[in-house]
Amino acid sequence: DTGVSQDPRHKITKRGQNVTFRCDPISEHNRLYWYRQTLGQGPEFLTYFQNEAQLEKSRLLSDRFSAERPKGSFSTLEIQRTEQGDSAMYLCASSLRLGTINTGELFFGEGSRLTVL
Amino acid sequence: GQQLNQSPQSMFIQEGEDVSMNCTSSSIFNTWLWYKQEPGEGPVLLIALYKAGELTSNGRLTAQFGITRKDSFLNISASIPSDVGIYFCAGQRTVTSGSRLTFGEGTQLTVNP
Repeated sequence: DTGVSQDPRHKITKRGQNVTFRCDPISEHNRLYWYRQTLGQGPEFLTYFQNEAQLEKSRLLSDRFSAERPKGSFSTLEIQRTEQGDSAMYLCASSLRLGTINTGELFFGEGSRLTVL
Repeated sequence: GQQLNQSPQSMFIQEGEDVSMNCTSSSIFNTWLWYKQEPGEGPVLLIALYKAGELTSNGRLTAQFGITRKDSFLNISASIPSDVGIYFCAGQRTVTSGSRLTFGEGTQLTVNP
């Protein structure tokens, strides 16, 4: 399967614990995005990378959240001191930027569902 | 928060019926995309629209990019049970810089056999 893959698919944790999610994008895609989706809502943008550079962060991304893409390939999203309000599906997506033009099409992984007890 | 208004919120139809849903915004988007999401899965891209007035088809699905750039429509013809899912519209403001998508709240489609 050459699509976007995310791990783990499901994570249950206690409030106050740290969690980390991993995303492996489509191999030739240079842009990687993180979104959060709560029940009954559409995905909400968190942050995105072009290669290893983090170019934009949403106000939704509090200081407890950190994302990295150290080698411009896979990415991790860490949530420290989790709160019940962090319970959501965390979606990763990738896209291809050609020169100065983005193709505009994001391809999503299956998501990592976080439950904070 | 969400900036796209998607309607209807839910639809219950009989197999074979046609479906229409739409998405409106108070601001202009340069690209409109339609995604389908099934339970426990990530959104899957159905159709991408890049030009105002553009009409694009993908099998039984047809989508249009509104002339005002503030709306888009998705039609599904001759629905089948596997069309069940949540359909999201998404808008993108520019293709030359940041690619973040703004999503609507989704239309839940139920198809009765």
